[in-house]
Amino acid sequence: SYVLTQPPSVSVAPGQTARITCGGDNIGSKPVHWYQQRPGQTPVVVIYDDSDRPSGIPERFSGSNSGKTATLTISRVEAGDEADYYCQVWDNPSYHVIFGGGTKLTVL
Amino acid sequence: QVELLESGGGVVQPGRSLRLSCAASGFTFSSYPMHWVRQAPGKGLEWVTLISSDGSNKHYADSVKGRFTISRDDSDNTLFLQMNSLRTEDTAVYYCAREDGDLGNTFDIWGQGTMVTVSS
Repeated sequence: SYVLTQPPSVSVAPGQTARITCGGDNIGSKPVHWYQQRPGQTPVVVIYDDSDRPSGIPERFSGSNSGKTATLTISRVEAGDEADYYCQVWDNPSYHVIFGGGTKLTVL
Repeated sequence: QVELLESGGGVVQPGRSLRLSCAASGFTFSSYPMHWVRQAPGKGLEWVTLISSDGSNKHYADSVKGRFTISRDDSDNTLFLQMNSLRTEDTAVYYCAREDGDLGNTFDIWGQGTMVTVSS
């Protein structure tokens, strides 16, 4: 089955830029979605279809996807961005949903 | 207010069964595909199963296929997960989630989760 690979952790200082990667075989051909899960809370979509932002998500969040890697970029990182981030794709034609293992973002 | 509320979790011995429910409110439940997603303690998200909006199509993760059954009652706006032959590795918080076709078929609404502990 399809596998998504994320780094377990990323650390960044406030105000800097965080980049969280999600690797998969030919992932550039699939729409990639990103979820933020703050401690004790349920996941929230921050990016869908590679680079679209739901309403209410700050412009500091952006996404890209090409080749074997999708990337979630968080600019001007704030303390409130500290959370676990998960990438997600659909594995067609099985209609299975695949999550990456998650990346813990730490704001130093 | 759009809301999902799970119930039915608890502690159960390996090999036994449990049935989870997810009550939906604030939206037209019958219009949406629905999913169950679980999260083991301290671990990541794992998709479990999906049911189409009309209930005719169901898909399962390999880890639960043949043991878990998803169903829905649109007259009562409720989603179910029948879990049989439970294993210790099924221990997790179980979330029901709504799939939104307008948001790239992502999970835009999540319940607060219900904890299932499988232990002897």
